[in-house]
Amino acid sequence: GQNIDQPTEMTATEGAIVQINCTYQTSGFNGLFWYQQHAGEAPTFLSYNVLDGLEEKGRFSSFLSRSKGYSYLLLKELQMKDSASYLCAVRATGGYQKVTFGTGTKLQVIP
Amino acid sequence: DTAVSQTPKYLVTQMGNDKSIKCEQNLGHDTMYWYKQDSKKFLKIMFSYNNKELIINETVPNRFSPKSPDKAHLNLHINSLELGDSAVYFCASSLTKYEQYFGPGTRLTVT
Repeated sequence: GQNIDQPTEMTATEGAIVQINCTYQTSGFNGLFWYQQHAGEAPTFLSYNVLDGLEEKGRFSSFLSRSKGYSYLLLKELQMKDSASYLCAVRATGGYQKVTFGTGTKLQVIP
Repeated sequence: DTAVSQTPKYLVTQMGNDKSIKCEQNLGHDTMYWYKQDSKKFLKIMFSYNNKELIINETVPNRFSPKSPDKAHLNLHINSLELGDSAVYFCASSLTKYEQYFGPGTRLTVT
């Protein structure tokens, strides 16, 4: 099975940097996704890590350490529109590679 | 050119009724999913189909029956609706092993 932990809520200031952590335990790891979900909307894909290290995509970066079962999403130059929930999701090994979502971190960006 | 579409967007019905939600994707993906997102915003996989074949069937009451007439469509039929079925239901699709694209969601309210 899989167990994924994220902080429930975070608050950060516009223009600042925020790091959202995700720790996971899984019997077989085959990749980690980050999704963004604005209130009342569908989740949208942000990033994917399968090897250790940092993946950068504009203002967003995602880091993975497989040995520690740990990932973080880094958001730079925060904007008000970044207020949303951020979902960490882990893909398992095995035939159909099921993806399990964490409970999400609700980020509030304040002026 | 909507990528993943669901109908209806809102569904209000009484306990004991039977209802269906439809999902279509025009991305050429081979895998489709149904998720339930409850009031605590936890996104839980219910079913997944790969090339019309059921590959993931989580612990879901058998009142829920998915049907995939072809690779581009995945419908969800729910019998004898209960209060606890109230949630947002998301359809998603992906190419196997890649990120998922979510539909706009169907907000089901059972009264």
